[in-house]
Amino acid sequence: GAGVSQSPSNKVTEKGKDVELRCDPISGHTALYWYRQSLGQGLEFLIYFQGNSAPDKSGLPSDRFSAERTGGSVSTLTIQRTQQEDSAVYLCASSAGETGRGNTIYFGEGSWLTVV
Amino acid sequence: GDSVTQMEGPVTLSEEAFLTINCTYTATGYPSLFWYVQYPGEGLQLLLKATKADDKGSNKGFEATYRKETTSFHLEKGSVQVSDSAVYFCALRGGFKTIFGAGTRLFVKA
Repeated sequence: GAGVSQSPSNKVTEKGKDVELRCDPISGHTALYWYRQSLGQGLEFLIYFQGNSAPDKSGLPSDRFSAERTGGSVSTLTIQRTQQEDSAVYLCASSAGETGRGNTIYFGEGSWLTVV
Repeated sequence: GDSVTQMEGPVTLSEEAFLTINCTYTATGYPSLFWYVQYPGEGLQLLLKATKADDKGSNKGFEATYRKETTSFHLEKGSVQVSDSAVYFCALRGGFKTIFGAGTRLFVKA
């Protein structure tokens, strides 16, 4: 697509429920990233995909968080048993790949998650 | 590990004032450096970048120079406008991961 697309744009869920956030990267981009932006905070790296594999999952805050990517395209970030501290904007980004350190990453508009 | 430190905000300026937002970094090797901007209600977008020492990135009147000797990438603009009000993020990329600073909120008053 023309840009990184994320859905839902807004999600309100009850504490303890599971949520899935979807990211559709720019067509042809092999690298995909998930970040989290909490209110008034910077961007926290969560996970990175190159193709369908995730060489770096170090940023996932707990085992309640998981992500997958299929077909080298769409990615889903799943949060199980949501907690109020999970409330944040979840940002997805993609880039053309690792070749060339100057590769720009392009962000989606984010999924705003509120856990009540 | 790699890290980015940028000045805390908010920064409040009057229109046409000079802007500097400081950014310093710690990295192994030779990272690429970026400034991203997030306007109210919008997603992050790239403002400018520099991929090697002494490069100057520029866009929309903003500029930043990659200073290896001081490990800095300060953002400057000679005359800010109300429409520049946003959150500015400094970032570095040394490998596949882009690491962001905490962001600096800029308010420009008419």
